[in-house]
Amino acid sequence: NAGVTQTPKFQVLKTGQSMTLQCAQDMNHNSMYWYRQDPGMGLRLIYYSASEGTTDKGEVPNGYNVSRLNKREFSLRLESAAPSQTSVYFCASSEARGGLAGGRGYEQYFGPGTRLTVT
Amino acid sequence: RKEVEQDPGPFNVPEGATVAFNCTYSNSASQSFFWYRQDCRKEPKLLMSVYSSGNEDGRFTAQLNRASQYISLLIRDSKLSDSATYLCAVNNNDMRFGAGTRLTVKP
Repeated sequence: NAGVTQTPKFQVLKTGQSMTLQCAQDMNHNSMYWYRQDPGMGLRLIYYSASEGTTDKGEVPNGYNVSRLNKREFSLRLESAAPSQTSVYFCASSEARGGLAGGRGYEQYFGPGTRLTVT
Repeated sequence: RKEVEQDPGPFNVPEGATVAFNCTYSNSASQSFFWYRQDCRKEPKLLMSVYSSGNEDGRFTAQLNRASQYISLLIRDSKLSDSATYLCAVNNNDMRFGAGTRLTVKP
């Protein structure tokens, strides 16, 4: 199993350009997520898809759109890139959202990330 | 105030030392808790879940204190290979991550 895969690994864009980050998982997970990670800020949720056919905004959705293409694939689109979107982007998946009894919950598994620079 | 807070470190410890990290969270309705490990320029990888009763995995022990709203990670007999950034994660439908605590284990 490859787990969670992302493409591309690196990308440099000029301000105003658009691009789509691709993510796929082969773990038959229902839920998928897009995060960005900036120094000192930790991981912040951009968008998530709780199940195939649904998508919802996370903490920092402005400037992004997503598509849950099928159960395996979840893409993130930057329509008009801005320097503030320079970051490392991680896709993640989990069996489901939410928690279980006794402090247990659904672990998230991450892809290798995309390093995006917007100049 | 951030929802999940960690001491950023860095923690510099000698091999064989015991080191502990704490992580506090603000949402009392949080349902599940995790520790992730992240190596430089890599993705976060699940280290362990944190159960209400506490749990141990080899040299690693995780504890949850709901009353004081924190989780902890104890690493015993530190190895050079434990050098990494440790992220805590708190789940209340959406996962919230701390910014991470950097650990360097030195020979």
